[in-house]
Amino acid sequence: GQSLEQPSEVTAVEGAIVQINCTYQTSGFYGLSWYQQHDGGAPTFLSYNALDGLEETGRFSSFLSRSDSYGYLLLQELQMKDSASYFCAVRVNNDKIIFGKGTRLHILP
Amino acid sequence: GAVVSQHPSWVICKSGTSVKIECRSLDFQATTMFWYRQFPKQSLMLMATSNEGSKATYEQGVEKDKFLINHASLTLSTLTVTSAHPEDSSFYICSARDRRKGFTDTQYFGPGTRLTVL
Repeated sequence: GQSLEQPSEVTAVEGAIVQINCTYQTSGFYGLSWYQQHDGGAPTFLSYNALDGLEETGRFSSFLSRSDSYGYLLLQELQMKDSASYFCAVRVNNDKIIFGKGTRLHILP
Repeated sequence: GAVVSQHPSWVICKSGTSVKIECRSLDFQATTMFWYRQFPKQSLMLMATSNEGSKATYEQGVEKDKFLINHASLTLSTLTVTSAHPEDSSFYICSARDRRKGFTDTQYFGPGTRLTVL
């Protein structure tokens, strides 16, 4: 089976940097994705890592270490609109995506 | 591009009735669509993988006879919740993979359908 662990909640201050960690145990691992979901909305794709290392997209960066079964999402220059839930998700057997339980990010002014 | 729509966006029905939810890829062809269910403040749980022209693959614990999935064309998949009960009340979300891109690391999500069963 597959399991993903990420913190349930994280709080940070506007303008700061926050890191959301994700560890996983899975067979047939292909890559790690990150999704953002605002209350009442659908998930939106943020990033995908298939290889070890850091991927940067604007204020967001994502890291993967396959040997450690670990990844993180880094959000810089936090804005109030970044308040949302963030899900890590693993691609399994080059096919389906399994989501973690999500991290609720609270941003304080 | 890469827009996925769902219809209806919300539905309220009586216990025992069946509800059909449509998922459409509007500007691309999707050989594979996925159906998820999300309870409040919880994660997205994959229910099934829908492949055009073939039977859906259901995840463990998902009742095939209760959640009927049909993927009749490259742009449409439907999920029918049969004999719905209050415990089926949830947020149902579909996603689609763009056929033109072969295997892509991105799934495009629909806006979701909120089902409330009275």
